[in-house]
Amino acid sequence: DTGVSQNPRHKITKRGQNVTFRCDPISEHNRLYWYRQTLGQGPEFLTYFQNEAQLEKSRLLSDRFSAERPKGSFSTLEIQRTEQGDSAMYLCASSLNRGGQETQYFGPGTRLLVL
Amino acid sequence: GNSVTQMEGPVTLSEEAFLTINCTYTATGYPSLFWYVQYPGEGLQLLLKATKADDKGSNKGFEATYRKETTSFHLEKGSVQVSDSAVYFCALRGGSQGNLIFGKGTKLSVKP
Repeated sequence: DTGVSQNPRHKITKRGQNVTFRCDPISEHNRLYWYRQTLGQGPEFLTYFQNEAQLEKSRLLSDRFSAERPKGSFSTLEIQRTEQGDSAMYLCASSLNRGGQETQYFGPGTRLLVL
Repeated sequence: GNSVTQMEGPVTLSEEAFLTINCTYTATGYPSLFWYVQYPGEGLQLLLKATKADDKGSNKGFEATYRKETTSFHLEKGSVQVSDSAVYFCALRGGSQGNLIFGKGTKLSVKP
């Protein structure tokens, strides 16, 4: 069990550029979640997958945000046309959902700074 | 909707002091409750959890009891250490989606 990994750990970009973050979950976990955390706040849910199916995406912050999990393993979160307000920590978590019970394990996060 | 309210920080304690961080929740049904800890520059680590009323979660000297009658899940530790300095988040998981709903976090600083 190597834990949840995220890459890159830090990203600095200019306003208007596109960015993509990757999350590799714990290998046997069937669920993968994305959250955003801004300074001084708790994580805020964005979207999640069960295997390759994206089961909830209405909480994505705008249509500039999209996520994929093409083979039910790793996932990517893309932000198009970044804005300064997108600066935040983006967290990924994975879990093994069995009969509704699960515990989510978080990665170290990707810190995004939009200049 | 579901929500979590934590006591505001920062909380500053001397080493070996008793710690309580209050957490109350609003939820329909019977949510699972969690405490996560975030050390500087790191992601969230699960500290403890409870899945039903009157359950007590415990880990590393920390404890929290799921109190349905008061809708609370207060975090306690009898004797804090400098290494416990971190931000603590209370969270609930309810409903079919499974996503966690977090409080705003409480920063704890422990002085030697």
